[in-house]
Amino acid sequence: AQSVTQLGSHVSVSEGALVLLRCNYSSSVPPYLFWYVQYPNQGLQLLLKYTSAATLVKGINGFEAEFKKSETSFHLTKPSAHMSDAAEYFCAVSAPGGGSQGNLIFGKGTKLSVKP
Amino acid sequence: DTGVSQNPRHKITKRGQNVTFRCDPISEHNRLYWYRQTLGQGPEFLTYFQNEAQLEKSRLLSDRFSAERPKGSFSTLEIQRTEQGDSAMYLCASSPPFGPRGVEQFFGPGTRLTVL
Repeated sequence: AQSVTQLGSHVSVSEGALVLLRCNYSSSVPPYLFWYVQYPNQGLQLLLKYTSAATLVKGINGFEAEFKKSETSFHLTKPSAHMSDAAEYFCAVSAPGGGSQGNLIFGKGTKLSVKP
Repeated sequence: DTGVSQNPRHKITKRGQNVTFRCDPISEHNRLYWYRQTLGQGPEFLTYFQNEAQLEKSRLLSDRFSAERPKGSFSTLEIQRTEQGDSAMYLCASSPPFGPRGVEQFFGPGTRLTVL
């Protein structure tokens, strides 16, 4: 069975500061890992994904994440926050071939606030 | 590629009424997923279609819920005898066939249901 834990339901940073959103996963098979962003009253947009290739994954809008198997983590970072980054961020895991049909298991989300 | 569309975007209904939502996936995406997202939570998997076949259902999908994808294109999700606990955002996502491009799910904007 897969699960995702996102540490911190709310993170606040100043504009220009480092963004770090934490995600730890549990999976009985090699996982695929994703970060999605959700703006108010909208669906989810994929930021980046890990599918067992390079462990450092670069995504859209300057975000990147590093897969660390030993720590079962997939933390999301951005060197310099922008006001437009304020949104809710979801980490998700799936394990196609591990008994599921590729459905995503999401964390509870982290709401990012950016102060001017 | 016009993206995943969902209708209606908002639905307000009285307890006990039936409601139906529609999802139009990206053309040529043979896989379709439904998720439910309640306030302050990440999306939770409800059900999965591959073409017209419903291959997986979550325990969250009670007997009052039914989903169809009759021709392998659009899908409908019906909730009978709605309850206040059904109030949530219902998200639809689609994916290409399994393979290198089939890892990512593309989400629609969601249908927000409010049960009074």
